[in-house]
This record gives sequence, C-alpha cells and structure tokens, in this order.
Amino acid sequence: GENVEQHPSTLSVQEGDSAVIKCTYSDSASNYFPWYKQELGKGPQLIIDIRSNVGEKKDQRIAVTLNKTAKHFSLHITETQPEDSAVYFCAAITGGFKTIFGAGTRLFVKA
Amino acid sequence: NAGVTQTPKFQVLKTGQSMTLQCAQDMNHNSMYWYRQDPGMGLRLIYYSASEGTTDKGEVPNGYNVSRLNKREFSLRLESAAPSQTSVYFCASRGAGSDTEAFFGQGTRLTVV
Repeated sequence: GENVEQHPSTLSVQEGDSAVIKCTYSDSASNYFPWYKQELGKGPQLIIDIRSNVGEKKDQRIAVTLNKTAKHFSLHITETQPEDSAVYFCAAITGGFKTIFGAGTRLFVKA
Repeated sequence: NAGVTQTPKFQVLKTGQSMTLQCAQDMNHNSMYWYRQDPGMGLRLIYYSASEGTTDKGEVPNGYNVSRLNKREFSLRLESAAPSQTSVYFCASRGAGSDTEAFFGQGTRLTVV
C-alpha cells in the first residue's frame, strides 16, 4: 500500500541554525503534501503545504520543496527558535481523501 | 470557534470492555477521519468518511467500528478493547477539495489494562 517515509526521526539543532526534514512518498498519484507541527498534548496543526504543480513554497522562516520525479519533499526551517521545538509530520494525500502521514520528526532547538 | 471537539480526553478501560469515542466538527466539512498515534509510528488512519453516509477502512481498521451519524459527528467504537489499542486517538476533518488542510481535535488518550 501507500506509505510515506520521513527522516530523521530526531533532530537536534542550535538556536539560529537551520533544520531540514525529508520525506519520500510511494504513490505517484499523490497531489497534495501538507506539513504539520504537533506540540505536546495537542493535535497536529498545519504549518505549510505544497501542491503537486509547484516545486517550492516559502512562508517566512519555513519553506517546502517538492521533487515529483523523485517523489521527495522536504521541510526547511531557517533561524530556528526554541518555540520551533515540536514533532513535525509530513503527509501525502491521494484521491482527495486518504492522508498518509510520515512517522514524525522530533525537533529540539537548543537555546 | 470550536473546530473539532473530541470526548473524552482521557479513558482507562479493562480488557474486553467497550467504549465509543465521540467527535464533532462545526466547520461544515464533508470528510472526517480517525487516526491513532503510537510512539515512533506517526499517525495511522483507522477509518475515514468522505461524506455523510459513507465510511471506508484505513490502514489499521481491525478491532474498530465507526458511525457517521450526520455531517457534524463521526464516532469510533471499540467493541472489545485490547491492550494493543492503548494509544492516543485523533479525529480530524477536511473541507471539500483534494488540497485542503486537515483540522485535528485535541486527542483522546486511551489506556487498556
């Protein structure tokens, strides 16, 4: 079946450094790729998304890139801050309904 | 401004007991979802409902049943709870279109002893 692989599972960076999280999806029909941030004790919340007809999207310190040929997409966070510490999930959506999530990356930003 | 509301927030069950997790959304969304979250395994789809009156199995449906009671409400039932069902359960909803974000509830932490 469809799956999404996410790496790394844990990432520790110094405040001010950049963080990169990478995902690979299996279903070439996937057409929407959201990224979610989950803080402790809360449900995931969307932070950025990208559609299959776009290669890159940026929103302030956060950017996402998509390589449809290789079926890769990545999240880039620049100038990290302690409040960026959380679990981040990538996801791929196929057919408008089924959302398959990656296993998550726990990001620690050290002050 | 409630969004997606799940009840209860916490629950402890004995093996073999049954219970229903409730979920309601006030955003007039067509599709609703139930996920379970386990350490190191991310969010796995249990069941989803693309629209009122329809439900479909996700990745891990065994041991669960769902009911899409109306457009607002989507419940998840455990008929005979097992320790393997100890997890955090999230309900989510999405609006129309293939490229819309999902809104999640706060989660239900279920422990089966």
